[in-house]
Amino acid sequence: EDKVVQSPLSLVVHEGDTVTLNCSYEVTNFRSLLWYKQEKKAPTFLFMLTSSGIEKKSGRLSSILDKKELSSILNITATQTGDSAIYLCAVEAISGTYKYIFGTGTRLKVLA
Amino acid sequence: DSGVTQTPKHLITATGQRVTLRCSPRSGDLSVYWYQQSLDQGLQFLIQYYNGEERAKGNILERFSAQQFPDLHSELNLSSLELGDSALYFCASSPQVGTGVGLRANEQFFGPGTRLTVL
Repeated sequence: EDKVVQSPLSLVVHEGDTVTLNCSYEVTNFRSLLWYKQEKKAPTFLFMLTSSGIEKKSGRLSSILDKKELSSILNITATQTGDSAIYLCAVEAISGTYKYIFGTGTRLKVLA
Repeated sequence: DSGVTQTPKHLITATGQRVTLRCSPRSGDLSVYWYQQSLDQGLQFLIQYYNGEERAKGNILERFSAQQFPDLHSELNLSSLELGDSALYFCASSPQVGTGVGLRANEQFFGPGTRLTVL
């Protein structure tokens, strides 16, 4: 059965700290891995990683895909209180049809 | 604001009833996705439509059905509702540009969600 596992489930840090969020997956016919940030309501897109693009960076956020280890990490440096959110990892796979499997998320709280 | 609209915002109904959730994608986006998010299950992919046709299917119950209309808006129909169907239902859209077999997922823009409460 396809699955996506995120760790840790939750973490609390102080402003300025660096955090690393993990996502591992077991799916049939991996296509891409996506990271989302969910604050109060709807998720917002952060990165998409594929075999042809295994590292992405945007400001203080960066993500790496390790296809050998079937995992990805999301790094946030110099965290701010505005980074407090649930970070979701999703994998796009194809098994007869396309499908998207989400992890349960990592809840990040950044204290001032 | 993602440009994706969903109606209604909240919906309260009784068990056994049927409801319809509506989604209008961003202008120009051909692909629409439906997700269910409940407290104990996280975000679950239900179904995807691309330009009017079903493209991908996830953990969608037989009591649920969806369609995408010629104007690209989409509706998710939930019938014989049960208490466990109470959740936040998100719609997302993407351009879904690709060639031939193996369309690549592009960034998905999520709507604000419809909160369904089944009493």
